[in-house]
Amino acid sequence: SQKIEQNSEALNIQEGKTATLTCNYTNYSPAYLQWYRQDPGRGPVFLLLIRENEKEKRKERLKVTFDTTLKQSLFHITASQPADSATYLCALDGGGGFKTIFGAGTRLFVKA
Amino acid sequence: EAQVTQNPRYLITVTGKKLTVTCSQNMNHEYMSWYRQDPGLGLRQIYYSMNVEVTDKGDVPEGYKVSRKEKRNFPLILESPSPNQTSLYFCASSLSSHSIYEAFFGQGTRLTVV
Repeated sequence: SQKIEQNSEALNIQEGKTATLTCNYTNYSPAYLQWYRQDPGRGPVFLLLIRENEKEKRKERLKVTFDTTLKQSLFHITASQPADSATYLCALDGGGGFKTIFGAGTRLFVKA
Repeated sequence: EAQVTQNPRYLITVTGKKLTVTCSQNMNHEYMSWYRQDPGLGLRQIYYSMNVEVTDKGDVPEGYKVSRKEKRNFPLILESPSPNQTSLYFCASSLSSHSIYEAFFGQGTRLTVV
């Protein structure tokens, strides 16, 4: 069956370091993959979209990679700040480019 | 300001008492959907709507109803709420159902059924 896996354990890092979050998927062949940020009790907010033919996408301190062979996306936050503390969700198309499916998210804590 | 507005933000109700959670978007989006979010399970789609008068079941539709009479509004109805529907609910909209488009989410409705 189709599955999206994000590390359920929280990631704790020191301010200034690079945070790397992982999104693995099985039995999908997504054409698009999105990353969202969610603060406690709030709705997710879109951050980045990467297409299957793009290996890497950047936006300010954020970088996303998409490896369709490994079936994995990595989400990096460089020079992390306490304000980056949140849950990060990956989302991919469930097939044919339609119906976005969300992962459960990984909680990131950045310590000052 | 582009936004999706849900009401109420918090709701405590008793088993069996019908309730409606409203959702409205001001971006003229065609696609709207409802999700519930439970710890460890992520966002699960309840119902979605491709356009006015077009609705369909998501992954967990049991116990819920929706309607889409106007493009901007997509209310979620619980005819007879049960405790297992206690959850955090989100309404979302996007230009279309295609995954190339980002989803805009409402602030969430935390529902407790006792």
